[in-house]
Amino acid sequence: GAVVSQHPSWVICKSGTSVKIECRSLDFQATTMFWYRQFPKQSLMLMATSNEGSKATYEQGVEKDKFLINHASLTLSTLTVTSAHPEDSSFYICSATRNRGAPETQYFGPGTRLLVL
Amino acid sequence: AQSVTQPDIHITVSEGASLELRCNYSYGATPYLFWYVQSPGQGLQLLLKYFSGDTLVQGIKGFEAEFKRSQSSFNLRKPSVHWSDAAEYFCAVGPHGGATNKLIFGTGTLLAVQP
Repeated sequence: GAVVSQHPSWVICKSGTSVKIECRSLDFQATTMFWYRQFPKQSLMLMATSNEGSKATYEQGVEKDKFLINHASLTLSTLTVTSAHPEDSSFYICSATRNRGAPETQYFGPGTRLLVL
Repeated sequence: AQSVTQPDIHITVSEGASLELRCNYSYGATPYLFWYVQSPGQGLQLLLKYFSGDTLVQGIKGFEAEFKRSQSSFNLRKPSVHWSDAAEYFCAVGPHGGATNKLIFGTGTLLAVQP
């Protein structure tokens, strides 16, 4: 159990376009989802925390108007990279937890590789 | 400030040899501790976790880790490494930033396994 999927697994887009990435919890309800960004050969950088039915909480330095997060249901969160530029190219990973209580394990999706030309 | 340190960026071991990956943390209270493994181009898979209780934790794929409060460490071990264990390993600590389930990750240790 605790399977998280992401779609698409990779995407190539032109500079200036917007890209939407979906994160789904397949066999559990995820009250909280997290979005991370990972640069080559580096660790994960938390971008934002997404709770179902409420606005996402962004980490310092992450542009909320650039990275739009929607957590419309208990099994789906989306990250939209608006007006993408080459510097947005990265590996984006989501994770999900079942409960809001403590402690809880984060289960990760397989990631989405974004390349902006 | 809360932090996680993985001192070894890259480790190479021979297949069948034992393995220990180091993780040290800085945290004001008893942390929740995790080890995740990431294969190239993939997401992270949970190997094991420590919340409380027995300080020696068993995980999947034959891995174990020991929480040592006095040393602020949570090192990952495996008695005999298999070629399929080649991957990147991340130690993580929580809760971070006052939020219940937020984690802070170490910089990772890349494990290579030679025949």
